[in-house]
Amino acid sequence: DGGITQSPKYLFRKEGQNVTLSCEQNLNHDAMYWYRQDPGQGLRLIYYSQIVNDFQKGDIAEGYSVSREKKESFPLTVTSAQKNPTAFYLCATRIGRGQGTDTQYFGPGTRLTVL
Amino acid sequence: AQSVSQHNHHVILSEAASLELGCNYSYGGTVNLFWYVQYPGQHLQLLLKYFSGDPLVKGIKGFEAEFIKSKFSFNLRKPSVQWSDTAEYFCAVRPPGAGSYQLTFGKGTKLSVIP
Repeated sequence: DGGITQSPKYLFRKEGQNVTLSCEQNLNHDAMYWYRQDPGQGLRLIYYSQIVNDFQKGDIAEGYSVSREKKESFPLTVTSAQKNPTAFYLCATRIGRGQGTDTQYFGPGTRLTVL
Repeated sequence: AQSVSQHNHHVILSEAASLELGCNYSYGGTVNLFWYVQYPGQHLQLLLKYFSGDPLVKGIKGFEAEFIKSKFSFNLRKPSVQWSDTAEYFCAVRPPGAGSYQLTFGKGTKLSVIP
């Protein structure tokens, strides 16, 4: 079954703890993205990666970290430095460079609640 | 700051009413434009996109959007909505020169269709 997997669907953590959100894809897409969705705020880009072992900060990278050791995986760590971590986190992929490849495909999301 | 604006936060319509959701952007130059939809409990999915050519773009489920360059707009339309169109709709723009095909999203419009 092809697609983008994010696990878990719901995640609870105590304040001050780091937490890692998983994003796995078997679409063989080159680029991967992490967004944060808050009510009434739309989607805001946290980090993105075009190729393995390379990633760039998005608009709201502070308090987050990522790695891209494998093409299939792009985990996001929410650190204790993130001041307001409770949110819905979405992972997306894009096939690669070239005309007509702008479309991003989204996973089901992980809802993180920090208590 | 350059941005994407969606005029309506929440729209409530009766079934069979016509729909138009506004989207304006503030970037100059060539942009790529998208509308995504998030049905309750489902993944964010692409409704339609504009890269070039005919400014009237048709998407899935009877939706269409018109790119008006002079107005920096990309409004979404549907002649007759159904209860199943209840969802949140996001306009997104790939600004000129955006690295790795980054998208900037609007804050979203919630559509509630009353049977």
